[in-house]
Amino acid sequence: SQKIEQNSEALNIQEGKTATLTCNYTNYSPAYLQWYRQDPGRGPVFLLLIRENEKEKRKERLKVTFDTTLKQSLFHITASQPADSATYLCARDTGTASKLTFGTGTRLQVTL
Amino acid sequence: KAGVTQTPRYLIKTRGQQVTLSCSPISGHRSVSWYQQTPGQGLQFLFEYFSETQRNKGNFPGRFSGRQFSNSRSEMNVSTLELGDSALYLCASREAGGRETQYFGPGTRLLVL
Repeated sequence: SQKIEQNSEALNIQEGKTATLTCNYTNYSPAYLQWYRQDPGRGPVFLLLIRENEKEKRKERLKVTFDTTLKQSLFHITASQPADSATYLCARDTGTASKLTFGTGTRLQVTL
Repeated sequence: KAGVTQTPRYLIKTRGQQVTLSCSPISGHRSVSWYQQTPGQGLQFLFEYFSETQRNKGNFPGRFSGRQFSNSRSEMNVSTLELGDSALYLCASREAGGRETQYFGPGTRLLVL
């Protein structure tokens, strides 16, 4: 089965620093990886998608990388703010667009 | 456009009962997927409906079922509820035609006593 792991259950950083979250996958390389943000009691919100032939994708303060050699994706939030505090989920495709496999998430806490 | 809506938002049931959850996708979206989220297992795919047909299915027992109506609204049903069915049930809608981005609703929190 295609597994996906987010190594850190929780990450605490100071405001203004760069948060880096890790997502590792097993077995075959996914066609794409997605990153979502989830706030308590709410559904996940899509942030970024990166395809296997892309090394890097950016959106405002967010950056995602995809390393098929390491079987890893890194998610960066630069100049982090307390409002960035949330759980971040990565997800991989399973060959079927709607059937995503999600990691268990990393809970990010940004403090003043 | 209005987002994905789910009703009810909260539900308490007892073991052995059955429950029906509803999801209205974003207007124009024809694919609706359902996920179960628990602290131990995370987000797990239940099934996907597209044009009133189940297109994909996850690894859940037959107690979990769903359907989709002609207006793309979807319902999922869980029969003979077990304590372990307590979870946040999320639906996500997606445009057809290979667009991968899914838009999630706020979820229905189900507690089975």
